[in-house]
Amino acid sequence: QSVLTQPPSVSAAPGQKVTISCSGSSSNIGNNYVSWYQQLPGTAPKLLIYEDDQRPSRIPDRFSGSKAGTSATLGITGLQTGDEADYYCGTWDSSLSAGVFGGGTKLTVL
Amino acid sequence: QVQLVESGGAVVQPGGSLRLSCAASGFTFSSFAMHWVRQAPGEGLEWVAVISYDGNNKYYADAVKGRFTISRDNSKNTVYVQMSSLKSEDTAIYYCARGRIAVTHPPFSFWGQGTLVTVSS
Repeated sequence: QSVLTQPPSVSAAPGQKVTISCSGSSSNIGNNYVSWYQQLPGTAPKLLIYEDDQRPSRIPDRFSGSKAGTSATLGITGLQTGDEADYYCGTWDSSLSAGVFGGGTKLTVL
Repeated sequence: QVQLVESGGAVVQPGGSLRLSCAASGFTFSSFAMHWVRQAPGEGLEWVAVISYDGNNKYYADAVKGRFTISRDNSKNTVYVQMSSLKSEDTAIYYCARGRIAVTHPPFSFWGQGTLVTVSS
């Protein structure tokens, strides 16, 4: 049982937009920055979004992040088949003094 | 460019011990916190432990507390995790990941390729 809650799967057609939610509590998302990671099949995770809504320079602007209260959202526009991957949200939990992840969301581009 | 290379993964019996290493290059290692994150076969990511840039602060997931010890050698640009009393549920790919400058919180900005630990008799 993950501390952060994500939908197990989402799907959309090429070119469309999809959002992935991540729900937590005041001890984690509510008071700490959220980051998002993409894990392509058989590879290590890669940072997509940090500090709720910031993109590393190497990440295209099709990827965006937002946060409101104790929930965060990853948005992906202009979906491509190469975006098919598992996506994870992560943050710090101040009560646990530990890093925490969501259970992951599998994106299928139909 | 930033590189993290893990090593030390192996097959080990339940109750056994193992030490994983992660060699870093391409950045000022002594300025950054370092994390270990694991992923059991077919499962999601699980944070394991973090060590501050100077080694003075360490935090662990409840699942490994008392059994795993994270350490670092800034002269060798290497972070370690010593794992003891291993259980079958510790079977996973173990990734090291670079954290933030001076603080132990995420994000995990760069990841290694991982090393596989299998706990089985």
